[in-house]
Amino acid sequence: DQQVKQNSPSLSVQEGRISILNCDYTNSMFDYFLWYKKYPAEGPTFLISISSIKDKNEDGRFTVFLNKSAKHLSLHIVPSQPGDSAVYFCAASPYGGATNKLIFGTGTLLAVQP
Amino acid sequence: NAGVTQTPKFQVLKTGQSMTLQCAQDMNHEYMSWYRQDPGMGLRLIHYSVGAGITDQGEVPNGYNVSRSTTEDFPLRLLSAAPSQTSVYFCASSYSRGRYTFGSGTRLTVV
Repeated sequence: DQQVKQNSPSLSVQEGRISILNCDYTNSMFDYFLWYKKYPAEGPTFLISISSIKDKNEDGRFTVFLNKSAKHLSLHIVPSQPGDSAVYFCAASPYGGATNKLIFGTGTLLAVQP
Repeated sequence: NAGVTQTPKFQVLKTGQSMTLQCAQDMNHEYMSWYRQDPGMGLRLIHYSVGAGITDQGEVPNGYNVSRSTTEDFPLRLLSAAPSQTSVYFCASSYSRGRYTFGSGTRLTVV
């Protein structure tokens, strides 16, 4: 049973436009969320995170929004660049003793067209 | 500073064989984890560790063993390889909640 879901396997956007990647979770014990980016033949790399006490976190072109009542988060990339083309994974961490037990979604392949 | 080093990068096993995937980190991170990546399934947690001598199961632990005798090393053992264990395996370490540094992966094929 997938606790973290990314329902869009792929997304294509034009360079300079906004990319919006979505993620839903089911487990109410999750209180910390992260986005990772993965290029082919490499390991994932950390991109941005958000705690459940916030509803928005920004880092340059990347902004993560959290809607706790809907158990939904999204990653906005503005403006999108061809180098952003990669697989994006959202991940969730539970509160309590297993905070580093990170659960990932299935990923969304973003293609930014020049 | 090498980060997280995984060996081997590629491996082909016959069904029933056993092997150990090596993982070492030089960042003095407490937390380490093993994930497998399969098409359409994302990254699934196999086992994780919160420090030397302490390990716990993740989402898909069956068929795998781990131990953590030192802070630096976190090997993953396949007891009796099965074709269902064909996957890309990633080891990761972290000092801060959830912010893992991943290795470059081991691509395993079981025939």
